[in-house]
Amino acid sequence: AQSVTQPDIHITVSEGASLELRCNYSYGATPYLFWYVQSPGQGLQLLLKYFSGDTLVQGIKGFEAEFKRSQSSFNLRKPSVHWSDAAEYFCAVALEGTSYGKLTFGQGTILTVHP
Amino acid sequence: DGGITQSPKYLFRKEGQNVTLSCEQNLNHDAMYWYRQDPGQGLRLIYYSQIVNDFQKGDIAEGYSVSREKKESFPLTVTSAQKNPTAFYLCASSIRRGPNEKLFFGSGTQLSVL
Repeated sequence: AQSVTQPDIHITVSEGASLELRCNYSYGATPYLFWYVQSPGQGLQLLLKYFSGDTLVQGIKGFEAEFKRSQSSFNLRKPSVHWSDAAEYFCAVALEGTSYGKLTFGQGTILTVHP
Repeated sequence: DGGITQSPKYLFRKEGQNVTLSCEQNLNHDAMYWYRQDPGQGLRLIYYSQIVNDFQKGDIAEGYSVSREKKESFPLTVTSAQKNPTAFYLCASSIRRGPNEKLFFGSGTQLSVL
């Protein structure tokens, strides 16, 4: 069965610093990859997704992610973090050919931003 | 405005009681989903429905039941058979198929056991 691992449970950065959140997946075929963000007590919002093509994808709020097939990774990055980016971030994987809503999620990474 | 509405935001269950969580969407989406979120475990799929009057079990369906009598509604019942129901429950919807579809989430229901 496919799995998604986010190695960092909690990351703290200073406002204005760069950010990288790690995501690794275990799946034989090419997956569809997503990053979602969740504010406390709220639902999830899609940041970006990768289906095919250019391995560097741009998302909302200045985020980007790079798909590296050789490393089975899909890390999320942002050049300069804002205090409003503090939230929990989830990487997710979907099977090719299935409904895109049937996702397998990672455990999540909580981001704290210091002023 | 279009979106997904979950109610109530907070719900308490007594021992041996069934409770039902509401999920309504006005996005005209065919597919709807229920996820359970526990701290440190991410989201796990309970049930999903691709079309009215049809639904499938997800990864953790035991102790839960659903119905899909209308396209707009996908209620989740947490039965007394679910021994550890305390969690944050998220409903979501998506266009049934398409490379550009994304998952839209409601704002969740926090269920606690009294």
